[in-house]
This record gives sequence, structure tokens and C-alpha cells, in this order.
Amino acid sequence: DGGITQSPKYLFRKEGQNVTLSCEQNLNHDAMYWYRQDPGQGLRLIYYSQIVNDFQKGDIAEGYSVSREKKESFPLTVTSAQKNPTAFYLCASSADSPNTEAFFGQGTRLTVV
Amino acid sequence: AQSVTQLGSHVSVSEGALVLLRCNYSSSVPPYLFWYVQYPNQGLQLLLKYTTGATLVKGINGFEAEFKKSETSFHLTKPSAHMSDAAEYFCAVNTGFQKLVFGTGTRLLVSP
Repeated sequence: DGGITQSPKYLFRKEGQNVTLSCEQNLNHDAMYWYRQDPGQGLRLIYYSQIVNDFQKGDIAEGYSVSREKKESFPLTVTSAQKNPTAFYLCASSADSPNTEAFFGQGTRLTVV
Repeated sequence: AQSVTQLGSHVSVSEGALVLLRCNYSSSVPPYLFWYVQYPNQGLQLLLKYTTGATLVKGINGFEAEFKKSETSFHLTKPSAHMSDAAEYFCAVNTGFQKLVFGTGTRLLVSP
């Protein structure tokens, strides 16, 4: 079945550690996105990529990094510079056309301990 | 820049009652509009979308939405609520810059 797979579903990070969230899609989509979700704030865009080896910052990119070495994969690293990383992270992908919907993974819940 | 406003962070209805979730958008170009639903600890699932053509759009699970350009609105409705409709609903707009902009969400509570 085609879809987006995020792993892990739950992740715990100690203060000062970097952690990487995985996102893989087999929908043959060109565009991929990372969103952060906090209660009452909706979804905020962290990074997006429209093509392999290229990506752009979203609205809240500070403290995060990404790579897009393969069309299928768009991992997100939460660095120690991110002061408040506890949140629900959602990965999405879409065809490279604005009238098509984005497909979402099941999310990763990151907690700082 | 495009934006989306969802009025009411929480909406409560009784089972069998009409569901109305409000969404207003701001866009300088014709928008593409979407409604998504999210169940707890899950990703978002598309309910329906408006691109061009008919302004009344039907989606899954009996939901529909009407695009009203004069009111810059895209409200979501369902004639009769079910307990299974309890979830969070997000309106989103895409004006062609390859980014979806989401509203802050409305949590729908359904009581028996």
C-alpha cells in the first residue's frame, strides 16, 4: 500500500541531545513537508522540499535541520538548539501541484526528559 | 500572504444535530481550500477539497463544504452528527506556493 511512514511513533530525548525523526514515502511525490503541532496552535511548517537535494525553511526552522538525498526520504533532526522540542511532529508529502492534497504520516511524539 | 481563521477552538453538539465548523481565508489569488480531520495521536486525513468548479463540495463521512468567494469562507457542515465524528478539524489553504497554511483547528465534541 502507498503511504507515508514515520518512525518512531514515540521518542524521548535528553537535554542537549540531537535526535532524528524518520519520514519515508512511496507515493512518488516530489514535495515533502515537516510540521510541528502544539495544542491550540494548529500545524506550523518547519521545512519543506520540492525536489531532491533542495529544501526551504518554513516558519519555525530554528533549531531544526533536514536533508533530502532521496525522493522517498526526508528526515528531520531536532538539534540541541531547539529550546522547546516537546511536540507532535507530522511529515507530509504531495504532488508538485497546489490543487492536490497533502498526505500525512501518523506522527512522532517527541518528549524531552 | 495567505492565512486561515477557524472560529471556535471547541464546538459541542448532540448526536444527530447539525455540525457547522467555520473557516475564513485570506488570499490575494484564487485559493485551493482543504478540510482535514485528525483523530487523537494520528496524522491528518483529507475530508474534502475545493479547487475549481462547483462551489459545494462533498467529502467523506457525509461532510460537505461550500466555497463562498464573496464571504471568503469555506465552512464545513454535516446534517447529523455521529459519535465517531468527535475529532479535531483543520481548514487549510494553498495558493500555489507549494505550502499548505493551516488554521488553528476546531475540536468537535459530540454528546449522546
